[in-house]
Amino acid sequence: GAVVSQHPSRVICKSGTSVKIECRSLDFQATTMFWYRQFPKKSLMLMATSNEGSKATYEQGVEKDKFLINHASLTLSTLTVTSAHPEDSSFYICSASLPGTAYGYTFGSGTRLTVV
Amino acid sequence: GENVEQHPSTLSVQEGDSAVIKCTYSDSASNYFPWYKQELGKGPQLIIDIRSNVGEKKDQRIAVTLNKTAKHFSLHITETQPEDSAVYFCAASTGAGNMLTFGGGTRLMVKP
Repeated sequence: GAVVSQHPSRVICKSGTSVKIECRSLDFQATTMFWYRQFPKKSLMLMATSNEGSKATYEQGVEKDKFLINHASLTLSTLTVTSAHPEDSSFYICSASLPGTAYGYTFGSGTRLTVV
Repeated sequence: GENVEQHPSTLSVQEGDSAVIKCTYSDSASNYFPWYKQELGKGPQLIIDIRSNVGEKKDQRIAVTLNKTAKHFSLHITETQPEDSAVYFCAASTGAGNMLTFGGGTRLMVKP
């Protein structure tokens, strides 16, 4: 089946540094990818939607300059958390809509970001 | 925009019993309703989904029902097993390429 590989699974960084999270579609071309953020014991909240070759569309309240999303190819989308702060610590999950189907999404395995 | 409400937030059942989780949605344009199981530290895994042209779908011990008129859908798990313990999320979408809106999640605990 369609697989999205997300890396790293865990990352710890110092305040003020930037962290990049990658999501790769392994066996299909992902035209549209979604980035979610999940706090402990909470639901997934959509941060942004990215279409290959276009600028990402951010949800209200999500700082686009802080959470940089790049979807330069049909198999790779990246989320860069810039100048990270402890409040950015969270679980980040990417998802891709499955091509050739009217419905269906596949999710990455998530990245646990801890900012110290 | 779409709003998805999910109940209960926690559910504890005895092994072998049935579990039911309910969701309501607000956007009548939503036409795809997946259910996901999420284990600690992992991404969501699709367990079953239903489209708006179908009222019920079953896959072994798991079933989903949809009432478009009332805008609610439910997940039914029969003969629960300890390995069913996880957090379950319902979601709604207007179709591929469009965002999924998630419910708040249900923590299911199956006691052996």
